[in-house]
Amino acid sequence: NAGVTQTPKFRVLKTGQSMTLLCAQDMNHEYMYWYRQDPGMGLRLIHYSVGEGTTAKGEVPDGYNVSRLKKQNFLLGLESAAPSQTSVYFCASSPRTGWHEQFFGPGTRLTVL
Amino acid sequence: AQTVTQSQPEMSVQEAETVTLSCTYDTSESDYYLFWYKQPPSRQMILVIRQEAYKQQNATENRFSVNFQKAAKSFSLKISDSQLGDAAMYFCAYRNQAGTALIFGKGTTLSVSS
Repeated sequence: NAGVTQTPKFRVLKTGQSMTLLCAQDMNHEYMYWYRQDPGMGLRLIHYSVGEGTTAKGEVPDGYNVSRLKKQNFLLGLESAAPSQTSVYFCASSPRTGWHEQFFGPGTRLTVL
Repeated sequence: AQTVTQSQPEMSVQEAETVTLSCTYDTSESDYYLFWYKQPPSRQMILVIRQEAYKQQNATENRFSVNFQKAAKSFSLKISDSQLGDAAMYFCAYRNQAGTALIFGKGTTLSVSS
């Protein structure tokens, strides 16, 4: 099992450009999440999904959109990138029951110039 | 809203010694889960230990143990016999009752010297 994978691992954008980050999991988990990690801030939840076709806002959703068309994939979109979105982005997934332990991807480092 | 506070931005310990990382949280829920994650320089988030709020017994995983004080809303991590490989950023996290999110503290950077 690959677990949780993220594509790409690194990306540099110019202000105003758009991009999509892809998260894929092969553990058949119902829940998926997108976080951003900034220095001194810990991880903050951007959006999450409790199942195929459903999404919800987290703590810092502004400037991002998400889609979950397939259970195994969770996409994070930036329509018009801003320097404030320079960050490391983590995707995670968890089962619906039990501990809800979250399994994390390796992260994507995004720089917006 | 739930919050998680790690009051020690940095800690240091010598090899083979014991160190305790502090974490406090605030919640109005009675049932929840608490976690400690380790993030080495590779950036990968690694689960270290977890605790169910309704269990009074403190969780233990090899050299890692917690001191869970539910009334005080405190969840500290003790690392015994510290090793160089323990050097990392450690995050305390609270899982809400619905299981829809983890709320993280800002992290404690642990350095280990030989």
